[in-house]
Amino acid sequence: QITLKESGPTLVKPTQTLTLTCTFSGFSLTTGGVGVGWIRQPPGKALEWLSLIYWDDDKGYSPSLKSRLTITKDTAKNQVVLTMTNMGPVDTATYYCAHILNIYGPMAFDIWGQGTMVTVSS
Amino acid sequence: QSVLTQPPSASGTPGQRVTISCSGSSSNIGTNTVNWYQQIPGTAPKLLIYNNNQRPSGVPGRFSASKSGTSASLAISGLQSEDEADYYCASWDAGLPGRGLFGGGTKLTVL
Repeated sequence: QITLKESGPTLVKPTQTLTLTCTFSGFSLTTGGVGVGWIRQPPGKALEWLSLIYWDDDKGYSPSLKSRLTITKDTAKNQVVLTMTNMGPVDTATYYCAHILNIYGPMAFDIWGQGTMVTVSS
Repeated sequence: QSVLTQPPSASGTPGQRVTISCSGSSSNIGTNTVNWYQQIPGTAPKLLIYNNNQRPSGVPGRFSASKSGTSASLAISGLQSEDEADYYCASWDAGLPGRGLFGGGTKLTVL
């Protein structure tokens, strides 16, 4: 059974760096074809794709956020970490990590974490 | 404004059939597969359709989807009250660099 859970601060100040951790079980990021993605959703708004990472360390970033995002994996800990620099109020959102059903493309997220709400405020 | 265009709202009465459209372009829907997600407010999205028209295990057969050219659509037949949710299409954009795309979402109301 695949599960994912996001963790990180619930409140960050403007200009600070956000670090979110996705801890998963039921699969390994050392297995060929496996990937994890990050998606966010501002309150009352649509889903927004942020980033992904694959078993072979191939990575992808939203072009509009690329300069602010870094995604890494720790295969020993079964974790994927997303950092976002220079946070602002517009980054207030629920952040989700999700398992990618890769044989059907990088946007086939078959299992999602519960999400973690991050508020940016001074 | 999302690159994948969905109507902001849709509605139907129990038992009806409703469709939700998703319009893209040659670099996304025209080239890559489309996936659909259902999101009950306050919960994480759930994969409803993958690979244009495939249902994951556990998704009722009254949910179906299709893709033609640069557009896709989700159909729900025999509408039920528990289908009231937000629905999102998603696809990969093959531009340089590639990027993931979600539609703006469609809020389905069961009257």
